[in-house]
Amino acid sequence: QVQLQESGPGLVKPSQTLSLTCTVSGASIGDGGYYYTWIRQRPGKGLEWIGYIYYSGNTYYNPSLKSRVSISVDTSKNQFFLELTSVTATDTALYYCARSFNYFASDFWGRGTLVTVSS
Amino acid sequence: EIVLTQSPATLSLSPGERATLSCRASQSVASYIAWYQHKPGQAPRLLIYDISYRATGIPARFSGSGSGTDFTLTISSLEPEDFAVYYCQQRSNWPPELTFGGGTKVEIK
Repeated sequence: QVQLQESGPGLVKPSQTLSLTCTVSGASIGDGGYYYTWIRQRPGKGLEWIGYIYYSGNTYYNPSLKSRVSISVDTSKNQFFLELTSVTATDTALYYCARSFNYFASDFWGRGTLVTVSS
Repeated sequence: EIVLTQSPATLSLSPGERATLSCRASQSVASYIAWYQHKPGQAPRLLIYDISYRATGIPARFSGSGSGTDFTLTISSLEPEDFAVYYCQQRSNWPPELTFGGGTKVEIK
């Protein structure tokens, strides 16, 4: 069974960089065939796609976040990463990592990690 | 950017009733429409992809349909565990950017 687990600081100060890690088990990112995705849900809001990465390092980002987002991968550790720079309170959200096929449908998800942006 | 509008925002139904959820795209999309079920405190669950294909382990009471700009998720007979928020999702052709609809909450009447 494929499992994903998000980890990282639960509190980030405004203007700083949010950094999260997603650890994948039960599947190897390096085998290819899937994109690995970050999605968030702000309080009281719906789901928002942040971006995704292929094992080769190929990435696609949400245009509204593109200037602040970077997603990277370490296939040797079977992990992928999210960095979001210059955060504000509006970046407070539950952040999910997921595995996606055909560039979009996400069949396995992590449980999510809450990140609060506050001084 | 393709915008997805889901309606209604809330659907109040009783167990055993049929639920029909709508997802309308601001422009024609290909077959890249998916539906998710999301319950509080849980990860979203993929129900349907490519408009009408059920994901692994999804009961047959869930079905998807539509084309062009109008898509529908139907739950033929609501079970108690089906009360949740449902999101549609689309992928644009190229570059492959994703958007979600605003969600429909299916609540117990």
